[in-house]
Amino acid sequence: GQNIDQPTEMTATEGAIVQINCTYQTSGFNGLFWYQQHAGEAPTFLSYNVLDGLEEKGRFSSFLSRSKGYSYLLLKELQMKDSASYLCAVRAWGRAAGNKLTFGGGTRVLVKP
Amino acid sequence: DARVTQTPRHKVTEMGQEVTMRCQPILGHNTVFWYRQTMMQGLELLAYFRNRAPLDDSGMPKDRFSAEMPDATLATLKIQPSEPRDSAVYFCASGRLGLAVADTQYFGPGTRLTVL
Repeated sequence: GQNIDQPTEMTATEGAIVQINCTYQTSGFNGLFWYQQHAGEAPTFLSYNVLDGLEEKGRFSSFLSRSKGYSYLLLKELQMKDSASYLCAVRAWGRAAGNKLTFGGGTRVLVKP
Repeated sequence: DARVTQTPRHKVTEMGQEVTMRCQPILGHNTVFWYRQTMMQGLELLAYFRNRAPLDDSGMPKDRFSAEMPDATLATLKIQPSEPRDSAVYFCASGRLGLAVADTQYFGPGTRLTVL
């Protein structure tokens, strides 16, 4: 099975930086994804890591350490529109698993003025 | 701009009634997923299709839920009979089978179901 943990909620100030941690336990790891979900909307893909290291995409960066079962999503220069839930998801590979994702409970980020 | 579409967007029904939710995956995607999201349980995988064949429905209550994919452009999720505890947002997602970043899942807008 898979176990994914991330904090429930975080609060930060506009213009600041926030780091959302995600720890996971899985067999057959083959990729970690971050999704953003605004209230009342569908999750949208943000980032993907399969090798160790940092992937940067504009104001958002994601880091992965496979040996530690650890990832984080870094949001820089926070804007009010970044207030949303951020979901960590792990892909496990196998004949039956295919590209099935298992999601964490999500971290709700509140950006204050 | 290819998107996953879902109908209906909202459904209010009474306990015991049948509910059918529909999903049109993105053209060319060969995997389809049904998820349920609630405040308490988060995003749970209900069923997973690959090339229209059901691959994993272990997350789905078998006695009342059924998922089918009659053709490549339509996936359905049925609940019969519905119960108040089924109230949730049901998302459909589609993707391609593979290991690249492009083979992630793309979500539809969801069906918000309320069972009274």
